[in-house]
Amino acid sequence: DADVTQTPRNRITKTGKRIMLECSQTKGHDRMYWYRQDPGLGLRLIYYSFDVKDINKGEISDGYSVSRQAQAKFSLSLESAIPNQTALYFCATSDGGTGGETQYFGPGTRLLVL
Amino acid sequence: EDQVTQSPEALRLQEGESSSLNCSYTVSGLRGLFWYRQDPGKGPEFLFTLYSAGEEKEKERLKATLTKKESFLHITAPKPEDSATYLCAVKGNQGGKLIFGQGTELSVKP
Repeated sequence: DADVTQTPRNRITKTGKRIMLECSQTKGHDRMYWYRQDPGLGLRLIYYSFDVKDINKGEISDGYSVSRQAQAKFSLSLESAIPNQTALYFCATSDGGTGGETQYFGPGTRLLVL
Repeated sequence: EDQVTQSPEALRLQEGESSSLNCSYTVSGLRGLFWYRQDPGKGPEFLFTLYSAGEEKEKERLKATLTKKESFLHITAPKPEDSATYLCAVKGNQGGKLIFGQGTELSVKP
């Protein structure tokens, strides 16, 4: 089984709809991250969480919110989706401690907002 | 401001033709430089972490090196299965965030 899983893998929605992307991990890591990837713009950080009670905005948090339900679960919500949120979304985890800073990524969610 | 620039944007090689990918960076207090491989439609796959200038790491046909300003990913005698986008990222003193480059898209033809 994959260490970092994301659901759904593909999603098509309409402008104005609320959607949630979910991420679960079995790596036992405290730190979790949400990124979006757009052609020509690379990976950009949306939100990150260093533990269940710690949530931080990344460089492009506007229009997004997150929830850290447990150490292993980190969800990303689009309250009112808009077409320019069409992208590939990745969740990642890291140990952050003696295990180092390496981030491990999930398989991604491809989101299309019509 | 921490910044990562990768070159070239795209690289086409013949099978067996060795080459190098470049990652130039500026960062306040390097805490790690990371190389990832990404196949189309998939998540980045971790390859290497380098922590200090002079450090080198190898995995199969790949070798990563690090100086104070840049890192190179050397690909020796590549095969078509090495075709992918290679991403470089750095982590500095600004919290737990990685700063990614745009990536180099490598295509290896048989």
